[in-house]
Amino acid sequence: AQSVTQLGSHVSVSEGALVLLRCNYSSSVPPYLFWYVQYPNQGLQLLLKYTSAATLVKGINGFEAEFKKSETSFHLTKPSAHMSDAAEYFCAVCPFSGGYNKLIFGAGTRLAVHP
Amino acid sequence: NAGVTQTPKFQVLKTGQSMTLQCAQDMNHNSMYWYRQDPGMGLRLIYYSASEGTTDKGEVPNGYNVSRLNKREFSLRLESAAPSQTSVYFCASLPRTGGTDTQYFGPGTRLTVL
Repeated sequence: AQSVTQLGSHVSVSEGALVLLRCNYSSSVPPYLFWYVQYPNQGLQLLLKYTSAATLVKGINGFEAEFKKSETSFHLTKPSAHMSDAAEYFCAVCPFSGGYNKLIFGAGTRLAVHP
Repeated sequence: NAGVTQTPKFQVLKTGQSMTLQCAQDMNHNSMYWYRQDPGMGLRLIYYSASEGTTDKGEVPNGYNVSRLNKREFSLRLESAAPSQTSVYFCASLPRTGGTDTQYFGPGTRLTVL
């Protein structure tokens, strides 16, 4: 079965520091991959997605992620953290089977940004 | 466009009570989904509807029923609520299946079962 592992349930960085949120997936076939962000008391908002085009994907708010097939990883990065980046981040995989675009989510990583 | 809307935003139930969570989308999307979100577990799929008139079980369907009333609306019903169903529930919609489209999420319903 497909699964997604997000390493680190909580990550804390200083404002201006590099943000690195890790995501690994299990799949015999490269799936579609997504990063979503959830601000407090809100729904999920798409940051970026990988759909087998370019392996380096740029998203909103200065985030980007690189698909590495050999490592089955899709880590999310941002060069310089801003206070407004504090939120929970979810990595998700969409397996091809069934054609119904069911998303399988990781457990989430809560990002804290301190001054 | 309002996007995906959910009602109510908050609800408190007693064990054994029933209720229906409502979801509607105004984007003419074909597919709709219900998820629950629990701490440390991400979002888990309860039920989905690939198109109007069809519904299928997801990962955690026990204790829930759904109705795809029309293309716009997809409701989730708890017939006899249990404390284990305390969670935040999200509805999502997707333009079409099989492609690279993105799911759009509603703001969520926070449910507490006492």
